[in-house]
Amino acid sequence: DAGVIQSPRHEVTEMGQEVTLRCKPISGHDYLFWYRQTMMRGLELLIYFNNNVPIDDSGMPEDRFSAKMPNASFSTLKIQPSEPRDSAVYFCASSRGSGSENTEAFFGQGTRLTVV
Amino acid sequence: AQKVTQAQTEISVVEKEDVTLDCVYETRDTTYYLFWYKQPPSGELVFLIRRNSFDEQNEISGRYSWNFQKSTSSFNFTITASQVVDSAVYFCALSEVYNQGGKLIFGQGTELSVKP
Repeated sequence: DAGVIQSPRHEVTEMGQEVTLRCKPISGHDYLFWYRQTMMRGLELLIYFNNNVPIDDSGMPEDRFSAKMPNASFSTLKIQPSEPRDSAVYFCASSRGSGSENTEAFFGQGTRLTVV
Repeated sequence: AQKVTQAQTEISVVEKEDVTLDCVYETRDTTYYLFWYKQPPSGELVFLIRRNSFDEQNEISGRYSWNFQKSTSSFNFTITASQVVDSAVYFCALSEVYNQGGKLIFGQGTELSVKP
């Protein structure tokens, strides 16, 4: 398996523009997670899905952030409008629900977003 | 409240030295999972180990070993005979909820530098 695939790897955008980050989870994984990594806050969970349904979006910082998972193999994280403080590395991760255990999550390579 | 503390922000060692990375966690749950991830300079997050709260056996994998002690709420990671390729940021993480192994609470990370 190719692992979790994120695109783009790097994104530079101007303040006020819409940004869309994309993620393809590992085939067969039914959980998908979006994390954000910053120097100040470290790694924090933004939202996660189970079987394409959003379960917990309490980590989404503002209404400017939205995430969708239209099918089992694709998810997007959108920021509209973007602001300089959104600059961070955004990770997508997926894991397999096992019913009785918390299985490990596998992470994509991240998207480094810079908002100028 | 759940929390993961990695008190060592940075560690520097010389190649072939042994090094231990500390991790202390807080949780009110009796069932939980602990993880270690490695983030090399290239930026991706690499899964290293998962341990559930019912299994206090130490684990060894090559030069890596983990010591889990519920009595002190610690899950420490030791690298024996460190190598330059071990240079990375290492994250300890906690997962409290059944079947959601990617819903992780991360520590702030320990940056390990192994010098030749």
